[in-house]
Amino acid sequence: NAGVTQTPKFRVLKTGQSMTLLCAQDMNHEYMYWYRQDPGMGLRLIHYSVGEGTTAKGEVPDGYNVSRLKKQNFLLGLESAAPSQTSVYFCASSYGQPEAFFGQGTRLTVV
Amino acid sequence: AQTVTQSQPEMSVQEAETVTLSCTYDTSESDYYLFWYKQPPSRQMILVIRQEAYKQQNATENRFSVNFQKAAKSFSLKISDSQLGDAAMYFCAYRSPSGTYKYIFGTGTRLKVLA
Repeated sequence: NAGVTQTPKFRVLKTGQSMTLLCAQDMNHEYMYWYRQDPGMGLRLIHYSVGEGTTAKGEVPDGYNVSRLKKQNFLLGLESAAPSQTSVYFCASSYGQPEAFFGQGTRLTVV
Repeated sequence: AQTVTQSQPEMSVQEAETVTLSCTYDTSESDYYLFWYKQPPSRQMILVIRQEAYKQQNATENRFSVNFQKAAKSFSLKISDSQLGDAAMYFCAYRSPSGTYKYIFGTGTRLKVLA
């Protein structure tokens, strides 16, 4: 049972490049989330989804887009990366049990 | 909107001693969940303990226990018999029981364990 898997684990982008982070969960969870973690700021919610085909904005959505075409996958896209998007990104999922289950994180550096 | 505050950016504890990490939150809801997550250097987010607001009894998990004060909106984590492996970043988190099920996190407390 893999749980929540994020791809890739590390990435370096140049300013203006685009990329997609993939989150896959095998727990049949309805709810999925993307957070970013920055020093001194904890985890902040970027976007989330309450089911296949649905997405919603979180606390810091600007510069990001998401899609949930399949229940098990939640994609986070950066169309034109900026240095301010240098961060560690976490995907999480939940349903049934109160707690969220997290992926191992993606460290993204934008130069 | 709900908020979670961790006012201790960093704490230190001697090995085998006890340490308490503080967390306060703000909400207008009467029913909700609270959590403590541990993030070791591996970066993985690990659930330490959870508390349902409707339960008056404080949750415990082995050496970890909470002091849940609902009226004061306080949710502190006590680690007894601290071990070197407890060194990590600890995050307090809140989740409402219905609706969008968003998790709101505090800014974290870095715990150092001194040998």
